[in-house]
Amino acid sequence: DAKTTQPNSMESNEEEPVHLPCNHSTISGTDYIHWYRQLPSQGPEYVIHGLTSNVNNRMASLAIAEDRKSSTLILHRATLRDAAVYYCIPGTSGTYKYIFGTGTRLKVLA
Amino acid sequence: KAGVTQTPRYLIKTRGQQVTLSCSPISGHRSVSWYQQTPGQGLQFLFEYFSETQRNKGNFPGRFSGRQFSNSRSEMNVSTLELGDSALYLCASRMGSTDTQYFGPGTRLTVL
Repeated sequence: DAKTTQPNSMESNEEEPVHLPCNHSTISGTDYIHWYRQLPSQGPEYVIHGLTSNVNNRMASLAIAEDRKSSTLILHRATLRDAAVYYCIPGTSGTYKYIFGTGTRLKVLA
Repeated sequence: KAGVTQTPRYLIKTRGQQVTLSCSPISGHRSVSWYQQTPGQGLQFLFEYFSETQRNKGNFPGRFSGRQFSNSRSEMNVSTLELGDSALYLCASRMGSTDTQYFGPGTRLTVL
């Protein structure tokens, strides 16, 4: 199973960009990288996923390193509602079994 | 399109009892996975069902079981409850052809 390494916690000021890093050096070549976030007492919420090139959606951007061993989730303007635990999850290699790490707890300061 | 729904949202049981949790996936999704979340162990995979067949199982004792019905709805059962089974139980669904899973709000189980 691919392993991930994320900072335990990060802080950001409201309305500033946030870059959340993830190391996934053992990811398989065909596996997507998924990002989820979890607010207190809720289920994980899908944020974004990508394979090789950078991806954008209405929630965030995902920058994937050329060697695919790391990626960065970018929140362009953090809001208080973005305070959550963010998980990066390498693909499942066909097992469809997500392996969650400890994630990064993002604190947004008003 | 409605999201993944789970019932009940909260449940209190006593040791030794059994419990059944229910999950309705997003319409059109044929795969349902279950996860357990505890403060100590984090989020852990329990099992996955696709077209009524269990295709993958995590490292949990046989007291944890599940099934999936022909309409893709799934149930999870835990027998002989232990205090350590207190957790948030999450269900996630996905379309058959993709890896991306969508999670429900969870069922908070408390075992006294």
